Amino acid sequence: DQQVKQNSPSLSVQEGRISILNCDYTNSMFDYFLWYKKYPAEGPTFLISISSIKDKNEDGRFTVFLNKSAKHLSLHIVPSQPGDSAVYFCAASEEYSGGGADGLTFGKGTHLIIQP
Amino acid sequence: NAGVTQTPKFQVLKTGQSMTLQCAQDMNHNSMYWYRQDPGMGLRLIYYSASEGTTDKGEVPNGYNVSRLNKREFSLRLESAAPSQTSVYFCATGAGRVTGELFFGEGSRLTVL
Repeated sequence: DQQVKQNSPSLSVQEGRISILNCDYTNSMFDYFLWYKKYPAEGPTFLISISSIKDKNEDGRFTVFLNKSAKHLSLHIVPSQPGDSAVYFCAASEEYSGGGADGLTFGKGTHLIIQP
Repeated sequence: NAGVTQTPKFQVLKTGQSMTLQCAQDMNHNSMYWYRQDPGMGLRLIYYSASEGTTDKGEVPNGYNVSRLNKREFSLRLESAAPSQTSVYFCATGAGRVTGELFFGEGSRLTVL
């Protein structure tokens, strides 16, 4: 049973517009959420995170929103740039409740394509 | 500062052969992880080591063994490779409780014929 779900395998957005990537989770013990970005032939790199005590975290063009009651988070990229074209993975952990060293549970990823 | 280094980057094996993927980190992190990435499946945890001297199974441990050689090194061994183990393998490290963020190597692409 998949605990972290990214239901959109791909998303195409015009350059300059907002990209919204969605993620749902089922495990209520998850208390820390992260987004990773991955280019082909490279390892994933950390993008932004949010703790369950917050509902929003912003870092430059990237904002993550968390809706705990809906077990849903989203990543907003504004404005979208060509270099944002990559696969984005949503990940979650029991950072504070489970010790955090057990690793991250990842979604299947969303391939974001920024059209010029 | 290399971060997380994986070797080899590419490997082709025949069914039944064995091999070891090596991972070394210079970030002084306690926790190390092995993930595999398959098309449409995301990243799945194979094994992890929360600290030197300990290892634990992840989501998909069957067919693999690991060794936490010291704080820096964490190896993944395939004793008898199967075509189902064709994948891209990523090693990652983390500080543990502090932030939850993991740092990944560049990956090792393994093909089993």
